[in-house]
Amino acid sequence: ETGVTQTPRHLVMGMTNKKSLKCEQHLGHNAMYWYKQSAKKPLELMFVYNFKEQTENNSVPSRFSPECPNSSHLFLHLHTLQPEDSALYLCASSQEWVGTSGRINEQFFGPGTRLTVL
Amino acid sequence: AQTVTQSQPEMSVQEAETVTLSCTYDTSESNYYLFWYKQPPSRQMILVIRQEAYKQQNATENRFSVNFQKAAKSFSLKISDSQLGDTAMYFCAFMNRNTGNQFYFGTGTSLTVIP
Repeated sequence: ETGVTQTPRHLVMGMTNKKSLKCEQHLGHNAMYWYKQSAKKPLELMFVYNFKEQTENNSVPSRFSPECPNSSHLFLHLHTLQPEDSALYLCASSQEWVGTSGRINEQFFGPGTRLTVL
Repeated sequence: AQTVTQSQPEMSVQEAETVTLSCTYDTSESNYYLFWYKQPPSRQMILVIRQEAYKQQNATENRFSVNFQKAAKSFSLKISDSQLGDTAMYFCAFMNRNTGNQFYFGTGTSLTVIP
């Protein structure tokens, strides 16, 4: 496969369930991201990993737990979610940021996981 | 913090016509990038076009071009000869070159191309 893939594509879970979202990139990138996309709201950056190290956590509730075992894989572990957490969760990857003289690090997105919390 | 505003939630255009999507942003930075991403229905978000803030020349990619007005902090997207495949959500995004990876997105504009 090429590009950025995400599984599952759709997920329905109860508030007491534990589930995980998976993202895999085949682009040789070293930075990966989780975004939350809700209707009529800007994409919300949740987490950023550079070289497997978490560099950003934008005040995300602890019921969302990211894991990046290597530069190609990113997980989002979910537990005791709320109905307002229902959204499209997008994974993206890019080249790592190397400073102001570096190249443009456009982000490549996966197809997303449509999450519904009952 | 940077903010990106897309004031047109929905737009439509006749096939083969031209449409312009607006985007404004607020930043105190001078070294940044701007992007337009396209998200077709049930499909992946893909990059349409990008602009480096230090370049005065407007970026162009085939039927897609931008009107970058740095002083006004405006970054509109023009789609010429609209095609049915252009139907999608379009997101404007800002990236601060001094701080790297963090993108700031607008709320998006849903564009429908009418046959």
